Amino acid sequence: AQTVTQSQPEMSVQEAETVTLSCTYDTSESDYYLFWYKQPPSRQMILVIRQEAYKQQNATENRFSVNFQKAAKSFSLKISDSQLGDAAMYFCAYRSARGALINQGGKLIFGQGTELSVKP
Amino acid sequence: DTGVSQNPRHKITKRGQNVTFRCDPISEHNRLYWYRQTLGQGPEFLTYFQNEAQLEKSRLLSDRFSAERPKGSFSTLEIQRTEQGDSAMYLCASGNRDRGNQPQHFGDGTRLSIL
Repeated sequence: AQTVTQSQPEMSVQEAETVTLSCTYDTSESDYYLFWYKQPPSRQMILVIRQEAYKQQNATENRFSVNFQKAAKSFSLKISDSQLGDAAMYFCAYRSARGALINQGGKLIFGQGTELSVKP
Repeated sequence: DTGVSQNPRHKITKRGQNVTFRCDPISEHNRLYWYRQTLGQGPEFLTYFQNEAQLEKSRLLSDRFSAERPKGSFSTLEIQRTEQGDSAMYLCASGNRDRGNQPQHFGDGTRLSIL
């Protein structure tokens, strides 16, 4: 079974600085997808960034980028120029590529989360 | 895109009562997922539907839990004889088959508190 581990329960960053959130995962599959989701307090979970395992190039979305190390099974999130609105719980998630098959489902497997605070 | 809608937002009930939650997915999405999230933890998968068919259930889904998606549109999650341990946020998400890299879209969740 696949597992996702986020070893940093809490992180803090100064506004306008850069912070990196760690995520490791365990899987025997070679094809899968990885996601970072953001969950602000009492608000909806939204996608931050996604990475296909077959792509060597690290995904980037504006101030958010990932460092995907497939061999090490590591998937960290870097937030540049941090803003007060970035404060939230961040979850790393894994999804099997076999999820396209009807009996696999494509469920997300989440880590425990990292609570990010941004100091003004 | 009206988003995923969940009702109610909060539910407080006494232990032993039955509760039912509703989820309305994004209309063009054929897959619907239920997750449970306890305080300070990541969401855990409960079950999923492809159209009206329930195709996978987690071991977390005890026999007190039942989910339906009768017409392949909205879904309900019922918990019978609620227990203290059922207190959690219940999240619904929707998505499409064959688009594995596309994100699941989440609702705001229903927070269940058992007295």
